Amino acid sequence: DVKVTQSSRYLVKRTGEKVFLECVQDMDHENMFWYRQDPGLGLRLIYFSYDVKMKEKGDIPEGYSVSREKKERFSLILESASTNQTSMYLCASSLTGMYGYTFGSGTRLTVV
Amino acid sequence: AQKITQTQPGMFVQEKEAVTLDCTYDTSDPSYGLFWYKQPSSGEMIFLIYQGSYDQQNATEGRYSLNFQKARKSANLVISASQLGDSAMYFCAMREGGGLTGGGNKLTFGTGTQLKVEL
Repeated sequence: DVKVTQSSRYLVKRTGEKVFLECVQDMDHENMFWYRQDPGLGLRLIYFSYDVKMKEKGDIPEGYSVSREKKERFSLILESASTNQTSMYLCASSLTGMYGYTFGSGTRLTVV
Repeated sequence: AQKITQTQPGMFVQEKEAVTLDCTYDTSDPSYGLFWYKQPSSGEMIFLIYQGSYDQQNATEGRYSLNFQKARKSANLVISASQLGDSAMYFCAMREGGGLTGGGNKLTFGTGTQLKVEL
C-alpha cells in the first residue's frame, strides 16, 4: 500500500560527498516535491517538478539540484554535501489542482 | 511576510479534552486551500483535513474540525476528545490557486505545533 517511497530512512555521508536521495511514487501524480524539515523552521521547499524534465526552485535551492527523467521518480542531489545540510528530507507528490500531498516516510541525512 | 503562522510551538492538553491549534495565513489570491497534517514521532506526514477558500461550511473529519474565519485569515484546527495517540507535531499549510509554476502547485507550511496529550 506504499505510495511514495524514499530509498533510505537514514543516511550518513561525509562532507564533500555527492549524495543522491531518491523518491518514487506509484500514483501517476504530475507534481513531485522535495522539502527539508528542521526544528523550529517547519518544512521548507527545496525544489519541485510539475512534469517530466520540468523543475522549479523552491525557497531554499542553494546547494541542491534535482532530476526528473521519469514521471514516477524525482531525485534530489547534493553536489557536495556540507554539515549544514544535515536534516530530515521529505519527498511528496500530488495531482495538479487544489489537492494535498502524499508524503514519503522521510530520509534523515547526517553529514559528518 | 510569513504566509502561514503557527504561534504555538508547544501545547499540552488533558486526555478527553478538546484542543485548538492556531493557524493564520496571508494571501491575496482569492482561490486557496488550507490543509492540516499530523506528524507523529515516527516521522510520516498524515493528512487530516482540508478547507477550500470558497467552502461555505467549516470542514470536519471525525474528531477533527477546522474553524475557518476567512475575514480574519485564520484556520484553526480543533481536536475533540483528545487521545494519547494525538500526541504529535501538527502543521498547517496553504496552497494558492495559481498556475502550474509558482504558487499554484506547492504547499507552504507553518513551523508546526507540538501537541502533548496527558493522562
